[in-house]
Amino acid sequence: AQTVTQSQPEMSVQEAETVTLSCTYDTSESDYYLFWYKQPPSRQMILVIRQEAYKQQNATENRFSVNFQKAAKSFSLKISDSQLGDAAMYFCADSNYKLTFGKGTLLTVNP
Amino acid sequence: NAGVTQTPKFQVLKTGQSMTLQCAQDMNHEYMSWYRQDPGMGLRLIHYSVGAGITDQGEVPNGYNVSRSTTEDFPLRLLSAAPSQTSVYFCASSLMTGANVLTFGAGSRLTVL
Repeated sequence: AQTVTQSQPEMSVQEAETVTLSCTYDTSESDYYLFWYKQPPSRQMILVIRQEAYKQQNATENRFSVNFQKAAKSFSLKISDSQLGDAAMYFCADSNYKLTFGKGTLLTVNP
Repeated sequence: NAGVTQTPKFQVLKTGQSMTLQCAQDMNHEYMSWYRQDPGMGLRLIHYSVGAGITDQGEVPNGYNVSRSTTEDFPLRLLSAAPSQTSVYFCASSLMTGANVLTFGAGSRLTVL
């Protein structure tokens, strides 16, 4: 079974600072996709960013970027210029057929 | 365009009762799935379907039943509710598996007493 590991149950960051959330995965597939989802207190699951494993270039979406290290099976999320609205649970997930989620990292943003 | 609609949003059951969580999508997505979310456990896949008439088990299928008679609907049935099934349930769909981004419903909080 696929396993996605998020080693940081909780993280905190000061507003306007940068924070990096860690994620490792263990898929043996050659073609797969990686995702970061955000879940604010409203409970809604929101896609933050997606990375295609065959692309070497790291995905970027505005203040959100990833550091994709395929050989190490590592997929970390960097949030720059953190905002209060970034406070949420963040889930890493991998998918070649079914989406497998990590256990999540709770991010707190301090004003 | 409603996206993925789950009902009910909240439900309290007694042990042994049965119920169905409804999920409907209007995006003509082939892939639909059910997850449960428990504190400290992330989201775990219960059942999924890659098209009408096709379903398969995920990571935690015991105690749940699904069917996919139409592309739009993917109900999740609890046959005999147990306290261990107290959880938040999410239905999610995508055009296909793998690359496609899942669209999630708003979630259903189920409490089994």
